[in-house]
Amino acid sequence: AQSVAQPEDQVNVAEGNPLTVKCTYSVSGNPYLFWYVQYPNRGLQFLLKYITGDNLVKGSYGFEAEFNKSQTSFHLKKPSALVSDSALYFCAVRDLYNAGNMLTFGGGTRLMVKP
Amino acid sequence: GAVVSQHPSRVICKSGTSVKIECRSLDFQATTMFWYRQFPKQSLMLMATSNEGSKATYEQGVEKDKFLINHASLTLSTLTVTSAHPEDSSFYICSARGTGLTDTQYFGPGTRLTVL
Repeated sequence: AQSVAQPEDQVNVAEGNPLTVKCTYSVSGNPYLFWYVQYPNRGLQFLLKYITGDNLVKGSYGFEAEFNKSQTSFHLKKPSALVSDSALYFCAVRDLYNAGNMLTFGGGTRLMVKP
Repeated sequence: GAVVSQHPSRVICKSGTSVKIECRSLDFQATTMFWYRQFPKQSLMLMATSNEGSKATYEQGVEKDKFLINHASLTLSTLTVTSAHPEDSSFYICSARGTGLTDTQYFGPGTRLTVL
């Protein structure tokens, strides 16, 4: 079985400050990790993914995430938050080498960036 | 990234009627398509997975006779909510993935269904 935990329901940060949205995962095989963002009444937009290689992955809109195998974490980060980054963020995982495996999502973290 | 479209974006219908939602992958071939349901302030709940030309695989607790899924081509999947009731009101999101082992799963913009 695979699972994703996003321990924070909401993260508040001031505009211009760095932000971190936490994610830890559990998967029996090799983790294939994703971050998605959802704006109100919209579907999910792909931000970035980790397959193999460099542990620091860069994605859209200046976001990056760091894969940490020992801590089974894949935290989302951005050096300087924008008010427009306010949205709902989902971390997801699936087993890389089991294509039949579905994506498992975390519960989501609402990011609020205040001016 | 790749684009997945969904139509309609919003639909209001009367109880007892059927509603069809279309999901299209616009610039890639989607071997596998997924349908999710999202309740307010909650994460996505997978309803079913469909592979092109095959019957959909439904998650436990999802009525296959109520939520009819057709994946007729590599770019189109449809979800039909039959005999809709107010409790079916929700946000439905489709998703599509290509054939490669490392293909990303892309999501449509969602359909807000309101059953009166």
